[in-house]
Amino acid sequence: ETGVTQSPTHLIKTRGQQVTLRCSSQSGHNTVSWYQQALGQGPQFIFQYYREEENGRGNFPPRFSGLQFPNYSSELNVNALELDDSALYLCASSLAGKNYGYTFGSGTRLTVV
Amino acid sequence: AQKITQTQPGMFVQEKEAVTLDCTYDTSDPSYGLFWYKQPSSGEMIFLIYQGSYDQQNATEGRYSLNFQKARKSANLVISASQLGDSAMYFCAMRVILTGGFKTIFGAGTRLFVKA
Repeated sequence: ETGVTQSPTHLIKTRGQQVTLRCSSQSGHNTVSWYQQALGQGPQFIFQYYREEENGRGNFPPRFSGLQFPNYSSELNVNALELDDSALYLCASSLAGKNYGYTFGSGTRLTVV
Repeated sequence: AQKITQTQPGMFVQEKEAVTLDCTYDTSDPSYGLFWYKQPSSGEMIFLIYQGSYDQQNATEGRYSLNFQKARKSANLVISASQLGDSAMYFCAMRVILTGGFKTIFGAGTRLFVKA
């Protein structure tokens, strides 16, 4: 079985621009979550999708939005980038109803200059 | 407020010895899940162990065990027979129910150094 893959691995954007990060879930998983991890900190929950619907959101502004596709892949979109958006963005997939942890991707390192 | 607290920014352990990483949590929900993840320097998060709030027994997974003390709201990770490859960041996390879904809250992490 394949794991979670994220693209791109690294990205540099200018303040005010928009960015789209992509994630392919692990085969058989139907739930995807996105996290922002600033340097030296724990991951912060952005939102979660189940069957293409957002079913959980953390304390992030509306300029952070997402999509989940019928094949359970996902996108994270961030508009009007700010310097503080520089972080590692982690995607994680899981199977709803199962009590085991997420499978995480290796992340996308976003730098906003 | 729902929160995870890891009070040990860094820990050292001698190879082959056991080590305990502390985690306390705060939630008023009766149903929640507790997790531990390992994050090596390469960046990916690796799931280690899970404990449900209604589980009567402490979870174990190989060299990992979770010391769950519900009344004290603690969920400490015990790693037995430490290996050099255990050097990494360790995060405690809690999954809680939101209206219509779930969210997972992570602690700030503990960096473990295993000495040869």
